[in-house]
Amino acid sequence: TQTVSQSDAHVTVFEGDSVELRCNYSYGGSIYLSWYIQHHGRGLQFLLKYYSGNPVVQGVNGFKAEFSKSDSSFHLRKASVHWSDSAVYFCAVSAIWGNEKITFGAGTKLTIKP
Amino acid sequence: NAGVIQTPRHKVTGKGQEATLWCEPISGHSAVFWYRQTIVQGLEFLTYFRNQAPIDDSGMPKERFSAQMPNQSHSTLKIQSTQPQDSAVYLCASSLNWGQNTLYFGAGTRLSVL
Repeated sequence: TQTVSQSDAHVTVFEGDSVELRCNYSYGGSIYLSWYIQHHGRGLQFLLKYYSGNPVVQGVNGFKAEFSKSDSSFHLRKASVHWSDSAVYFCAVSAIWGNEKITFGAGTKLTIKP
Repeated sequence: NAGVIQTPRHKVTGKGQEATLWCEPISGHSAVFWYRQTIVQGLEFLTYFRNQAPIDDSGMPKERFSAQMPNQSHSTLKIQSTQPQDSAVYLCASSLNWGQNTLYFGAGTRLSVL
């Protein structure tokens, strides 16, 4: 069974600040780890994913995430946030082989203050 | 590329009525996934198809929910005898090839059961 934990339900920062959204996972095999973003009233949009190689993955709009096997983590970071980054961010995990079902975390709502 | 299209965007039904939700995946994508999103439960996996064949329906409430994919261009999710607890946003997503592990989501159908 694969599980994803996002410890922060809400994160609030000022525009121009850096931000880290935390994600921890539990799974026994080889996995994909992904981040998705959901703006209010819309479907989810893919940001980035990791499955092997360089543990730092670059995504769109300045987002990047770092995989850590020792910590079972895949935290998302951005150096300088913009008001348009306000959204809910979901971490997700799925097996590399076999069933393609993707399991999502509970989400972190990021609010950017002007 | 019109993206994943879900219709209707909003549906209101009375308790006990049937609801059918439609999804048109991105042309050329061979997998369709259905998720349910609520404030309390978050994103719940329902079912998915690969090349029109049902692969995993482990998230489907067995008695009243059914999903089909009669051709490559659309999938339906049917809920019989709708109950207030079925009220949610139902999200459809498609994926290009097996192992891509990247979902492209539609905007969702908001189902309200009165």
